[in-house]
Parts: sequence; structure tokens; C-alpha cells
Amino acid sequence: EIVLTQSPGTLSLSPGERATLSCRASQSVYNNYLAWYQQKPGQAPSLLIYGASSRATGIPDRFSGSGSGTDFTLTISRLEPEDFAVYYCHQYGGSPWTFGQGTKVEIK
Amino acid sequence: EVQLVESGGGLVQPGRSLRLSCTTSGFTFVHYAMSWVRQAPGKGLEWVGYIRSKAYGGTPEYAASVNGRFTISRDDSTSIVYLQMNSLRTEDTALYYCSRAYMEGYFDYWGQGTLVTVSS
Repeated sequence: EIVLTQSPGTLSLSPGERATLSCRASQSVYNNYLAWYQQKPGQAPSLLIYGASSRATGIPDRFSGSGSGTDFTLTISRLEPEDFAVYYCHQYGGSPWTFGQGTKVEIK
Repeated sequence: EVQLVESGGGLVQPGRSLRLSCTTSGFTFVHYAMSWVRQAPGKGLEWVGYIRSKAYGGTPEYAASVNGRFTISRDDSTSIVYLQMNSLRTEDTALYYCSRAYMEGYFDYWGQGTLVTVSS
């Protein structure tokens, strides 16, 4: 099983700042099949990034994904008020699929 | 418009069974893999399992924590995916989400979830 470790657990930032979230895999993720999701309180998760770096439909370009192999990053270039949420990475390159434990981006 | 609506959750005693349904619309169901993801209260997301599309054999895969107790099935004629949960444990208490697995992989659409509480 591929274990995904996200860091930091919590990121305290102000609107307009840059957020950098990390997702590290215990072994290489096949074909960089790595996705990122955003979850706001009381809502289902929503897809942001797939294939490590492709933005999902309708996702603003302030969200970007990068990385390969075992190290992946989600960057939010300038935080908007609606971006404060929990973010999860997910690998679908090998069964069992797994999620990271999440990074909470909170208002400083 | 793609819609996924889960149902069947509720309060159940440990050791009992429950079947969840996910009724879908707005897309050609037979072409997509479907997955179940759960979230215990105040915790993160946990993948439960998925079922491949017919083109990929229609077979399921499961997380180790539910393998042998849970069964995912699909009815392509009604566009519904099911999660049969047997031998339920208190640690199975969670909000259960149904999701569409695009290209047999990432989850591009999610339902709003159905709550399962396992307690005596």
C-alpha cells in the first residue's frame, strides 16, 4: 500500500499569501496518478488537480500542481477567502488507492 | 448535469448489515468506474473501494479495512452503485460518499454522502 504523508498538518496564512502544500508517497506513484481535492466544512470534497499537474474544469489558475515520483506539491499562488479549507492528495496509480491525511489551510 | 445521490444510511448495531445505494444521473453510467469513500467524524478521507466499468471487467477492489466484509456492485441498467456492508463495526461509523472515478482513477464528481452510525 502506498502511504501518502501530507505536510504541514495546518498552514496559517493571510489572504493574498502563497500556500505550498506537500504530499510525499512511500513509493513511486505510477504514471504520477496523483490528485488533489479541496473540502470545505459540511461539503463533499471537490477535485482540483489530477495527473499531478492538470487543473480540473473550472479551477482557477492560482491553483497549480507539480511533482513526480514520490514528491508532489499543491501551490495556491494568492489565497482568496474561499480557499481556506482542507486539502487532500490521493493516489490512484496502484491498488489500494489511498489518501493523505489532509492539510488544513486556515486564516492567520 | 451529473448527479450522485447516496441513500440507505442510518443507525445499526455492531455485527449487523446495511446496504447503501448511489443513484446517478446526467452521464453514461456504464462507461465509468464508481467508488465509495468514507469520512469518520472529524477525520480525513478513507478510500473504501471501487468497481470498474464494464469495459474494464466490472470487477471491484477494496481497502484492506473492509475487504471480506463489504461488497460493491453495480446495476448498469438503472445507473445505481451499491455498497453492501456486513459485520459492521463501530469503526465503520462515517459519512459515506459515492464518487465517479474518471478514467478509472480520480474522483471528478461526488455525492453529498449518507451517514452510517454503528452503535449498540
